[in-house]
Amino acid sequence: GAVVSQHPSWVICKSGTSVKIECRSLDFQATTMFWYRQFPKQSLMLMATSNEGSKATYEQGVEKDKFLINHASLTLSTLTVTSAHPEDSSFYICSASRAGWNTEAFFGQGTRLTVV
Amino acid sequence: DQQVKQNSPSLSVQEGRISILNCDYTNSMFDYFLWYKKYPAEGPTFLISISSIKDKNEDGRFTVFLNKSAKHLSLHIVPSQPGDSAVYFCAATVTNTGNQFYFGTGTSLTVIP
Repeated sequence: GAVVSQHPSWVICKSGTSVKIECRSLDFQATTMFWYRQFPKQSLMLMATSNEGSKATYEQGVEKDKFLINHASLTLSTLTVTSAHPEDSSFYICSASRAGWNTEAFFGQGTRLTVV
Repeated sequence: DQQVKQNSPSLSVQEGRISILNCDYTNSMFDYFLWYKKYPAEGPTFLISISSIKDKNEDGRFTVFLNKSAKHLSLHIVPSQPGDSAVYFCAATVTNTGNQFYFGTGTSLTVIP
């Protein structure tokens, strides 16, 4: 199956700093990537849809100035958590789909962010 | 508003028996459904999917059933194995919206050896 690589898998940062998470589709082009966040014992919550070459579309309640998304190429999307606070600590996962419909999404391995 | 719901947060099954995980949805526009398996601190991995034009799809030990009139789908695992112990998420999408998926809250399956 297709491979989506997410980096880093684990990061600890100080409160007030920024953290960048990368999501790469290794063997296919993804015009659209999705960023999810999972709180403990809760479902994956869609944060935003990342579109190559255009602005990301954020879900209601997600601060676009805090969670900066850049989809600079057909194989790379980045999520930057700016001025991180302890409440931003969570598990962040990206997904990408091949072009076309009725195809499953391929997920990165996720990033565990801990803000101290 | 939770458009995809998994009402059972956990399920325990003996090894070798059938595991049945349920999922309900409210959006009648959903036309493609998927099941994902997730281990702690890892990304979800795709298991099986079904299009709304079908009512059953089988892949090895995994079978997904779709009841459109009831807006209900289920995942059957037969026979269950200890390695199946994980959290299972169902997801749904409307295929003309660019593969944006809506997830249920997950069911934690424990297969007892």
